[in-house]
Amino acid sequence: QITLKESGPTLVKPTQTLTLTCTFSGFSLTTSGVAVGWIRQPPGKALEWLGLIYWDGDKRYNPSLWSRLTITKVTSKNQIVLSLTNMDPVDTATYYCVHGVSGTLDNWGQGTLVTVSS
Amino acid sequence: QSVLTQPPSASGTPGQRVTISCSGSKSNIGSDDVFWYQQLPGTAPKLLIYKNDQRPSGVPDRFSGSKSGTSASLAISGLRSEDEADYYCAAWDDSRSVNYVFGGGTKLTVL
Repeated sequence: QITLKESGPTLVKPTQTLTLTCTFSGFSLTTSGVAVGWIRQPPGKALEWLGLIYWDGDKRYNPSLWSRLTITKVTSKNQIVLSLTNMDPVDTATYYCVHGVSGTLDNWGQGTLVTVSS
Repeated sequence: QSVLTQPPSASGTPGQRVTISCSGSKSNIGSDDVFWYQQLPGTAPKLLIYKNDQRPSGVPDRFSGSKSGTSASLAISGLRSEDEADYYCAAWDDSRSVNYVFGGGTKLTVL
C-alpha cells in the first residue's frame, strides 16, 4: 500500500523560503519509472503542478516556478524535500505530495495547508 | 487561468448520466494521455481515470473516459449522491518544457 505524508510549517512570512518534506512508504524511489512530486491548491481554486523528481535523479519543474523551486530526494529516508524561495501570499495553498509511475500521478498525500502572512 | 478548459459546473439527478468536457491543444491532449481526478469535499484528489479511458482498481465502471483530438470527456452513469465532488482533467504538456497541466475543475452537483 502506497502512502505519502507531507510535513512542514503551516505559516511562513513573505520573502521566506518554504521547506516541506514528503515521507513515503510502499514503494522505492530507486525503481525504474517511479517519480515523486508536488501539486498545490490555493483555497477554493484549481490544482497546480509544481514538479517531480524521478528515480534516476532527473527533475521536472513547472516553468512558471523553476527559478524559485528545488526538489531533492533523500533515498535512505524515503523522503523528498520541496524548497520554494521568496514566498508570497499568493503561494498560500494546500501542498500535496504525489507518487507517479510511467507518467501517471496516481497516489496523493493528505496535503498540508501553508499560509503566507506577516 | 488554466491551460485545460472545463465547465465550472455540472449537475444531474440520481440515476442520470452526466458528462464533463475538457478542452486542450495539440501540445497537451492532442499529443498525450488525459487523466481525471475526483476531489470530494475536504479531501485530497483521487485518480479516477488514467491514460484516457483506464480505471484504477476500485473505481466503479459507472465512470468512463474518452478522448478525441484535443478534447476529452468524463462520463458518469447511474449518478449517485456520493458522486458530488470537484472533477479535474489533466495532461502532460510539452509546449515550453515538460509540464503537467490541469483544468480549472468542474463542480458536480447531484440534485
